[in-house]
Amino acid sequence: ETGVTQSPTHLIKTRGQQVTLRCSSQSGHNTVSWYQQALGQGPQFIFQYYREEENGRGNFPPRFSGLQFPNYSSELNVNALELDDSALYLCASSSGTGGYEQYFGPGTRLTVT
Amino acid sequence: TQLLEQSPQFLSIQEGENLTVYCNSSSVFSSLQWYRQEPGEGPVLLVTVVTGGEVKKLKRLTFQFGDARKDSSLHITAAQPGDTGLYLCAVLKGRNNDMRFGAGTRLTVKP
Repeated sequence: ETGVTQSPTHLIKTRGQQVTLRCSSQSGHNTVSWYQQALGQGPQFIFQYYREEENGRGNFPPRFSGLQFPNYSSELNVNALELDDSALYLCASSSGTGGYEQYFGPGTRLTVT
Repeated sequence: TQLLEQSPQFLSIQEGENLTVYCNSSSVFSSLQWYRQEPGEGPVLLVTVVTGGEVKKLKRLTFQFGDARKDSSLHITAAQPGDTGLYLCAVLKGRNNDMRFGAGTRLTVKP
């Protein structure tokens, strides 16, 4: 059974640029959630995708968008990067929504300069 | 104001000591989860508590959910260096699958 993988591991971008982060869910999981974890903080929920549809969203602006593909892998896109977007971005997959156990990937460390 | 307040923020102890970390809120929850996150990795689920007053044990870790389902504690007996990490509590808030995490307790166990 393959766990949750994320790419890239690290990324450095300049303010104003756009970035795409990728997540492969664990085998058999149809739900992917994305989180932003700033230094010294707990993860903050960005949004969740269930069967290719957005299924819940946290308090993040529209420049944070996502996709889920038929194989249930997912992308997080962030436009017009700001310095405060520097964080660890985590994705988590689960076999359903609303409280099913989530399995987290190792994260992508994004630095915006 | 954070939905979940975790204390202490940092804890550094010697191997063999016991410790307790806390997760508090003014809200009532149907369930609460504890995770451990090690450097360079994502959080790993340790336990889910669902019943007020519930106590769950996982080897040297004891988790308790408050009677009113507003708070929880994690007690570690005879801590080991392998217990080092960030301990996070989390709850499912609302209908939009919004999982809310506390800021965590960063535990360091020195050999």
